[in-house]
Amino acid sequence: GAVVSQHPSRVICKSGTSVKIECRSLDFQATTMFWYRQFPKQSLMLMATSNEGSKATYEQGVEKDKFLINHASLTLSTLTVTSAHPEDSSFYICSASPGLHNEQFFGPGTRLTVL
Amino acid sequence: DQQVKQNSPSLSVQEGRISILNCDYTNSMFDYFLWYKKYPAEGPTFLISISSIKDKNEDGRFTVFLNKSAKHLSLHIVPSQPGDSAVYFCAASVTPGGYNKLIFGAGTRLAVHP
Repeated sequence: GAVVSQHPSRVICKSGTSVKIECRSLDFQATTMFWYRQFPKQSLMLMATSNEGSKATYEQGVEKDKFLINHASLTLSTLTVTSAHPEDSSFYICSASPGLHNEQFFGPGTRLTVL
Repeated sequence: DQQVKQNSPSLSVQEGRISILNCDYTNSMFDYFLWYKKYPAEGPTFLISISSIKDKNEDGRFTVFLNKSAKHLSLHIVPSQPGDSAVYFCAASVTPGGYNKLIFGAGTRLAVHP
């Protein structure tokens, strides 16, 4: 149990375009979903936290107008990178929490490359 | 300001021996600690956790120790196996507004060699 999927696993796009990444909890309902970003050989940096049906809470320094988060249901959250630039190239990982024992279950990640 | 620190970027251990991964934190408000294992280009996998009211939690080959006075926790893997080779992240949790938020350390790359 506790499987989280992400789609796509890898995406290459041109500068200026927008990219949507989906995160789904497959076998449980996620009251909260989280979006992280990981730079090479660095830790996971929390970008934002979203609860189903409410606005996402963004971490300091993360532009909410650039990284749009929609938590449409208890099993689906989306991250849209708008007007992507090469510096947005990174590994984006989502996690989902059923709300028990502070555990988060992570998706496999999405490698975004902006040309 | 790094609230969770893993000061050893890498660790090399012989198969069968004990692996000890260390983690220090600065925020006394953390109430839950977790260890995750991560392979390249994959998401982290939950390993083991410990509440701040405990000082030890064991699950098979994995044991986590918490020393609150020193703000230090460690993950012991014994016996170490080649399949344990991965990056291990320590994470600490706070619970603002009722939802959990994880702060990750920078990770320690463990290499278990035959």
